[in-house]
Amino acid sequence: SQQGEEDPQALSIQEGENATMNCSYKTSINNLQWYRQNSGRGLVHLILIRSNEREKHSGRLRVTLDTSKKSSSLLITASRAADTASYFCATDAAGNQFYFGTGTSLTVIP
Amino acid sequence: EAGVTQFPSHSVIEKGQTVTLRCDPISGHDNLYWYRRVMGKEIKFLLHFVKESKQDESGMPNNRFLAERTGGTYSTLKVQPAELEDSGVYFCASSQAEPGRKLFFGSGTQLSVL
Repeated sequence: SQQGEEDPQALSIQEGENATMNCSYKTSINNLQWYRQNSGRGLVHLILIRSNEREKHSGRLRVTLDTSKKSSSLLITASRAADTASYFCATDAAGNQFYFGTGTSLTVIP
Repeated sequence: EAGVTQFPSHSVIEKGQTVTLRCDPISGHDNLYWYRRVMGKEIKFLLHFVKESKQDESGMPNNRFLAERTGGTYSTLKVQPAELEDSGVYFCASSQAEPGRKLFFGSGTQLSVL
């Protein structure tokens, strides 16, 4: 890929459980963002973490960033059926480009 | 505030034909990006405009693809002639100029080349 890889490719959990997905990237970054895509819709921005930050929270979302390992994780706590979507990480590298990975497809079973 | 709009939402064409996709970014957003996602694969960067100038077109697959941004407003992406491997969802996104900006996406154009 151009930059990022999400893992796992697909994840299926029960409503109320936590969902964790990971992202690895290749080059130095300015920041890393997570996006969600519902089927047939555009991507929606969820959260941004800067390269000098290690952890960030927003509602039920928790993002961590380890620049030494070039990796990030997204944790969704107390998942809901409405969280069913594809999740992508995007890296903002030199040149001001945003590179996305292949995404994690999350299914939350009611 | 209107979001990013893309037209058409779906396009089915035959190999060898020409298709033009349009993107209207959020008003005031200088940055405009085109991306493509082929089924199950990564969302691949195609190119980036800053106002009317192409900042980076390194992701454009080949010279069958031509992108323009008239007057720094809307953008078009033309594929001529279309090939089977051009099928996929083409996304447009826009953002403001400041660092750490987030992208606002359109709903995409599903292109099917038969």
